[in-house]
Amino acid sequence: GQQVMQIPQYQHVQEGEDFTTYCNSSTTLSNIQWYKQRPGGHPVFLIQLVKSGEVKKQKRLTFQFGEAKKNSSLHITATQTTDVGTYFCAPHGGGNQFYFGTGTSLTVIP
Amino acid sequence: NAGVTQTPKFQVLKTGQSMTLQCAQDMNHEYMSWYRQDPGMGLRLIHYSVGAGITDQGEVPNGYNVSRSTTEDFPLRLLSAAPSQTSVYFCASSYSSKDTEAFFGQGTRLTVV
Repeated sequence: GQQVMQIPQYQHVQEGEDFTTYCNSSTTLSNIQWYKQRPGGHPVFLIQLVKSGEVKKQKRLTFQFGEAKKNSSLHITATQTTDVGTYFCAPHGGGNQFYFGTGTSLTVIP
Repeated sequence: NAGVTQTPKFQVLKTGQSMTLQCAQDMNHEYMSWYRQDPGMGLRLIHYSVGAGITDQGEVPNGYNVSRSTTEDFPLRLLSAAPSQTSVYFCASSYSSKDTEAFFGQGTRLTVV
């Protein structure tokens, strides 16, 4: 599969703190998607980034695609308890395999 | 729309038993895939299909078989269950493999004893 590192693996934050997870690929990507999985649930699509340097926002969530299209980040501003879950990146390099990163598990402490 | 339907939700097998995990989607998606999720390992691709009659192996295909006789259905077969196959299994579908969002089923929690 693709060489994709997602860091950190776990993150505990106090409610109101910011959170960032990173997805790094060894190869240039055609696009990257982000998913969220609530505890006990299934992954749900959040967003797709396609262009080099692209930045997209969804309320408190900011998604970035690197200039070289090899890395991406998801930043959450002022976390809330509803942000708890595991965040996965899904990088696409052009093949037919739909791979996911190892995920970052976010715990928000009230 | 039902989306992606997986059955069963829970299953306990004895070592050596066989079973089929069912997956059906009603969105007319060409691409379907199976993943297993283990703690700290993320979602690992088992098998995938780009359309009816076409299947291929993912990262961890050993011990699993698939078939895709129709666009809607993509069952996953465990021929001889092993404790190492204890995991949560997810089926997913999407319009294509490249640039469209994946829709996931609710998952099957499988325990092999």
